[in-house]
Amino acid sequence: AQKVTQAQTEISVVEKEDVTLDCVYETRDTTYYLFWYKQPPSGELVFLIRRNSFDEQNEISGRYSWNFQKSTSSFNFTITASQVVDSAVYFCALSDVRGDTGRRALTFGSGTRLQVQP
Amino acid sequence: DTGVSQDPRHKITKRGQNVTFRCDPISEHNRLYWYRQTLGQGPEFLTYFQNEAQLEKSRLLSDRFSAERPKGSFSTLEIQRTEQGDSAMYLCASSPSRGNTEAFFGQGTRLTVV
Repeated sequence: AQKVTQAQTEISVVEKEDVTLDCVYETRDTTYYLFWYKQPPSGELVFLIRRNSFDEQNEISGRYSWNFQKSTSSFNFTITASQVVDSAVYFCALSDVRGDTGRRALTFGSGTRLQVQP
Repeated sequence: DTGVSQDPRHKITKRGQNVTFRCDPISEHNRLYWYRQTLGQGPEFLTYFQNEAQLEKSRLLSDRFSAERPKGSFSTLEIQRTEQGDSAMYLCASSPSRGNTEAFFGQGTRLTVV
C-alpha cells in the first residue's frame, strides 16, 4: 500500500525566513511519481512540481527548491525568503501508476499548513 | 477560462436528500478523477474515468455514490440519501491520456449535510 506522511501539521514563520516542508513516502513500486501541490484558501489545488523515481536531481524554481532522496524515501520542499502570499496548505502526493487502466491517481499526505507572518 | 470547472461551489442539503455535482474537465483531457477531502486531511481518491469508461472505484465510494461521464466530456457525481459523514469538499481533476503529467484540479464543491 502507498502512504505519504507529512509530519508537520502547521508551521508559522516570519516573512523572509526560509522554511522546509517534510515529506516521507512509502511504496512498493519501482516506478512512481512524486508531486507537491499548494492549496490556498480558495480551495483549488495548484500544481508545483512533479518528479519521477529515476530522477533524483534536486530542482530549484525561483524561491522554491526540492530535495528528493530515494535512500530515505523523502521529497522535501524548501521555500527561501518566504512571503505572506506563500501562506497556504501544502500537500505532497505519490502517483499510483496502474498499467492496466492507465490510472494515475494520487495518494496525498495530510498536508502542512504554512503561515507566513508579515 | 480553460481550467477544470466544478458546479456548484457550495451545497447545503438536509440529511436524506440526494445531491448531484458537475465537473467540466479541460477539453482535451481524457482522464478524469473525483476526490474527497475532509477538513484537515489530504484529498482521497474516489473514482477514475478514461473517456466515458469508469475504470476504477475506491472502497470509499459506497453504494449511495454514483458517477457518470456519459460522453467522455463532463462528469457528474451523485450522492443519494446523504448522511452527515458525507460533508466534505469534492474535488474533480483531469489530465491528458498520454504520459504522466500532473492532474489539474477544479476548485471543488463543498458539501454540508445538516
